[in-house]
Amino acid sequence: EDKVVQSPLSLVVHEGDTVTLNCSYEVTNFRSLLWYKQEKKAPTFLFMLTSSGIEKKSGRLSSILDKKELFSILNITATQTGDSAVYLCAVPINTGTASKLTFGTGTRLQVTL
Amino acid sequence: EAQVTQNPRYLITVTGKKLTVTCSQNMNHEYMSWYRQDPGLGLRQIYYSMNVEVTDKGDVPEGYKVSRKEKRNFPLILESPSPNQTSLYFCASSPSRGPYEQYFGPGTRLTVT
Repeated sequence: EDKVVQSPLSLVVHEGDTVTLNCSYEVTNFRSLLWYKQEKKAPTFLFMLTSSGIEKKSGRLSSILDKKELFSILNITATQTGDSAVYLCAVPINTGTASKLTFGTGTRLQVTL
Repeated sequence: EAQVTQNPRYLITVTGKKLTVTCSQNMNHEYMSWYRQDPGLGLRQIYYSMNVEVTDKGDVPEGYKVSRKEKRNFPLILESPSPNQTSLYFCASSPSRGPYEQYFGPGTRLTVT
């Protein structure tokens, strides 16, 4: 059975801290891994990772994939209160003719002053 | 403005009363999908569609139907809603032929009593 597991489940940090969120996966025919951010509304897309070792970066957020060890990390440096959200990891599962998407349960990040 | 719209945004209904949640996107996207989000279970895919007249089951399709008669619309139908379908529902679309960089609608909060 395909699985996507995120850790930690929740995290509280102080503004300015650096955080690392983890996503491990066990899927057949792996092709890519996605990160989304969900505040009090719909998820918004952050990154798509397909190759091991190549960092994707957007401002203070960065992510990297390790296809050998089957995990990805999402780093946020110099956290701000606006980074408070649930961060979701997802992996497309190839069904033959199309792809469905399996999400992890998310990591809830709270950034305090 | 490029967007995914869902209607209604909030709905309280009774067991067994058929309902439809509409989803429309104005970005000419091929891939569309429905998810439900429940506390502790995360986002789970209900159905997805690669293109017009092409739909397939996600991880939790029981009790739901969909149709894709036009590229822009992907309604979710609950023929006989039950209380265990009380949830937050999201529609999403993607410009690619898979669930990669998806744009999510604002969500529909459904309560079935």
